[in-house]
Amino acid sequence: AQSVTQLGSHVSVSEGALVLLRCNYSSSVPPYLFWYVQYPNQGLQLLLKYTTGATLVKGINGFEAEFKKSETSFHLTKPSAHMSDAAEYFCAVSAEEYGNKLVFGAGTILRVKS
Amino acid sequence: EPEVTQTPSHQVTQMGQEVILRCVPISNHLYFYWYRQILGQKVEFLVSFYNNEISEKSEIFDDQFSVERPDGSNFTLKIRSTKLEDSAMYFCASTLAGMAGQYFGPGTRLTVT
Repeated sequence: AQSVTQLGSHVSVSEGALVLLRCNYSSSVPPYLFWYVQYPNQGLQLLLKYTTGATLVKGINGFEAEFKKSETSFHLTKPSAHMSDAAEYFCAVSAEEYGNKLVFGAGTILRVKS
Repeated sequence: EPEVTQTPSHQVTQMGQEVILRCVPISNHLYFYWYRQILGQKVEFLVSFYNNEISEKSEIFDDQFSVERPDGSNFTLKIRSTKLEDSAMYFCASTLAGMAGQYFGPGTRLTVT
């Protein structure tokens, strides 16, 4: 069984500040890990993913995440927040096998203050 | 860039009515999925579909639900007799064989009154 916990349902940062969105996962099998972003009234857009290999993965819009197996974490970061980053972010896990379902966290709403 | 499309964007129906939600996955994708998100709750997996059959379904996906790929492009979710608790945003997703990560459509907001 798999699960995802996202710490903080709401995160607020100032424009230009570091963004850190936390994600911890539980998986009985080696996981694939994902971050998705959802802008208002839109679908889910894949930001980045970890499957195998390099544990630091880079995604779109300057975001990156690091897979830490010992901490069962996959936190999302961006060095400098932009107003356009305001959205809801979802961490998700799937089993290490193509075609498997995604199990989502509850989501974190990111607010960027000017 | 290819994208998953869904119709309608919003559907209002009365309790007990049948609804069909439609999706057009990305053309060369082979795995198809439905998820739903009840307002204020997590995105939940409903069903996955591969090679013209259901490959996995959740406990939510009971006998009231069915999926079909009626032709080479559409993927539908049917709810036979809607209940108030079926009100949610329904997302379709697809992925390529051998690829991790799914591409999501914009969703259909289903309101059951």
